[in-house]
Amino acid sequence: QVQLVESGGGVVQPGWSLRLSCVASGFAFSGYGFHWVRQAPGKGLEWVAFIQYDASNTYYADSVKGRFTISRDNSKNTLYLQMNSLRAEDTAVYYCAKDLLRLVPAGHWGQGTLVTVSS
Amino acid sequence: QTVVTQEPSLTVSPGGTVTLTCASSTGAVTSGYYPNWFQQKPGQAPRALIYSTSNKHSWTPARFSGSLLGGKAALTLSDVQPEDEAEYYCLLYHGGAWVFGGGTKLTVL
Repeated sequence: QVQLVESGGGVVQPGWSLRLSCVASGFAFSGYGFHWVRQAPGKGLEWVAFIQYDASNTYYADSVKGRFTISRDNSKNTLYLQMNSLRAEDTAVYYCAKDLLRLVPAGHWGQGTLVTVSS
Repeated sequence: QTVVTQEPSLTVSPGGTVTLTCASSTGAVTSGYYPNWFQQKPGQAPRALIYSTSNKHSWTPARFSGSLLGGKAALTLSDVQPEDEAEYYCLLYHGGAWVFGGGTKLTVL
């Protein structure tokens, strides 16, 4: 069955960097697009970024554009989110989510990893 | 900056019917926004319910249905069950990027 396991979260200071990973199993990783979605404590869902199955296209929310980079390693079945210049408002649980089909987003989700940005 | 708006909260009685809506600041929601709906219960990851306006996932209960209604995307729950109490989020496609609505907290009372 589809399994997505995020890791890499933790406590960092403002301005620092962090890289999240999402290891996938149970399906052909290289055939699907992926999203990162975050949820600040007690708040709603915020879409963060998307990467196409072959990494040919990436898209970002305005709130992270220029600071975050989504990437993937199809040989390792792993999705990444490189987060630079972190701010307090980036504090959230970060979920990776797999497309079911093109334009059928986030059919499967991981359990999330918590990122806390605090001095 | 596109804003997607949902009702902050709704209450429904068990066995009743309720409709949640999802509006975009860019104008009327059409099928080209590929509306999606997700359910999230406390302490859990979200779960996909509806994609491309009205299509159900294999695990979506039959009592959930999606549509377009008056320029908005809509999620209708019929014969509401106590376990349907949750937060519901819509997600709209905006030319490469996606935008979530603020969520609707559905109380079954």
